[in-house]
Amino acid sequence: EDQVTQSPEALRLQEGESSSLNCSYTVSGLRGLFWYRQDPGKGPEFLFTLYSAGEEKEKERLKATLTKKESFLHITAPKPEDSATYLCAVQANTGRRALTFGSGTRLQVQP
Amino acid sequence: SAVISQKPSRDICQRGTSLTIQCQVDSQVTMMFWYRQQPGQSLTLIATANQGSEATYESGFVIDKFPISRPNLTFSTLTVSNMSPEDSSIYLCSVVRQETQYFGPGTRLLVL
Repeated sequence: EDQVTQSPEALRLQEGESSSLNCSYTVSGLRGLFWYRQDPGKGPEFLFTLYSAGEEKEKERLKATLTKKESFLHITAPKPEDSATYLCAVQANTGRRALTFGSGTRLQVQP
Repeated sequence: SAVISQKPSRDICQRGTSLTIQCQVDSQVTMMFWYRQQPGQSLTLIATANQGSEATYESGFVIDKFPISRPNLTFSTLTVSNMSPEDSSIYLCSVVRQETQYFGPGTRLLVL
């Protein structure tokens, strides 16, 4: 059974204080690992897809990395508007396209 | 990307009643999913909505409780039947486009 564990559950940062969110996973062959951002009352917003160990992707203050067992979402010099829940999900290479999600990390960035 | 709309955006329902949620996509997609997000929790897949055939349900979800229709490649409905307070959740429609899964804004359901 595919499993995704995210840590920490919640993170409070000061504006400009860089940090990382962790996503550990077990999957029967990884097709892709996805990061989403979810604001309260809204659906998840796609951020990144990573396909193989060593891959990195960046978008503004966010950088996602992938190893064979985990992924990190690095947030550099965050701003209050980065406050959201960040979700990690995996897709197995079994032909099944549905995603298995972690429980998310609630990030709060204080000015 | 994909532009996905859901109706209603939110509703308050009495136990024992049913609610049908609509999902409309801006252009044709092959794969469409329905997820549930219970309060304070992450997303759980309910079923894959298959065009022209019966939906494929995940363990713990049954067709009698969550009937799904997919009449064409841009539209699907999810019905939550005989509702109880435990069905209070956000229900999300999702589609795959260019190997990426995009989500609708969700339908927030409260069952009293």
